[in-house]
Amino acid sequence: EADIYQTPRYLVIGTGKKITLECSQTMGHDKMYWYQQDPGMELHLIHYSYGVNSTEKGDLSSESTVSRIRTEHFPLTLESARPSHTSQYLCASSTNLLAGSVGETQYFGPGTRLLVL
Amino acid sequence: QKEVEQDPGPLSVPEGAIVSLNCTYSNSAFQYFMWYRQYSRKGPELLMYTYSSGNKEDGRFTAQVDKSSKYISLFIRDSQPSDSATYLCAIGGAQKLVFGQGTRLTINP
Repeated sequence: EADIYQTPRYLVIGTGKKITLECSQTMGHDKMYWYQQDPGMELHLIHYSYGVNSTEKGDLSSESTVSRIRTEHFPLTLESARPSHTSQYLCASSTNLLAGSVGETQYFGPGTRLLVL
Repeated sequence: QKEVEQDPGPLSVPEGAIVSLNCTYSNSAFQYFMWYRQYSRKGPELLMYTYSSGNKEDGRFTAQVDKSSKYISLFIRDSQPSDSATYLCAIGGAQKLVFGQGTRLTINP
């Protein structure tokens, strides 16, 4: 079973606040991802990383930033939260089965539900 | 046109029924085919993974891939109330994994 953790699970915060969503995995996976998912909608990739010191923007434009200083840790930061950021944020990781490919099996964390008032 | 199309449902069937969930995709370069199950307020969990045409079976679940038609299916036999969830297909190739919208499934006791 995949061991990938996200904190907090739920967050209610006011507009303009800076927030960091934490994601950690204990599987030693090289690749990590952040997705945004609204109710009843598909997953949208907002950031991914191939490994330490590697970060890339995904398909969905996002005002968030990420960092990858350690293999197991991939935090996502919103400098100034807005109501439009209200959503569920899912972190995932995968092994580096094929160099340069993001098509492999991804394992997901439980998600963080964010509500910005 | 979306790269991956999945009927969002909702789909409601009686316990014990055979369920068929489907996705179509447009990019013939896609090589990996996965099905995830997502319970309410949880992250998706991997159910099935395949990278070739044909069938793959795991217990009550069968994943079917038809690359010539760009069509994948997930069959659930002897469906149980615990199978009630949203099922997402995910199809990928080099550099990209694209998720379907998810089909919301309810199994009625």
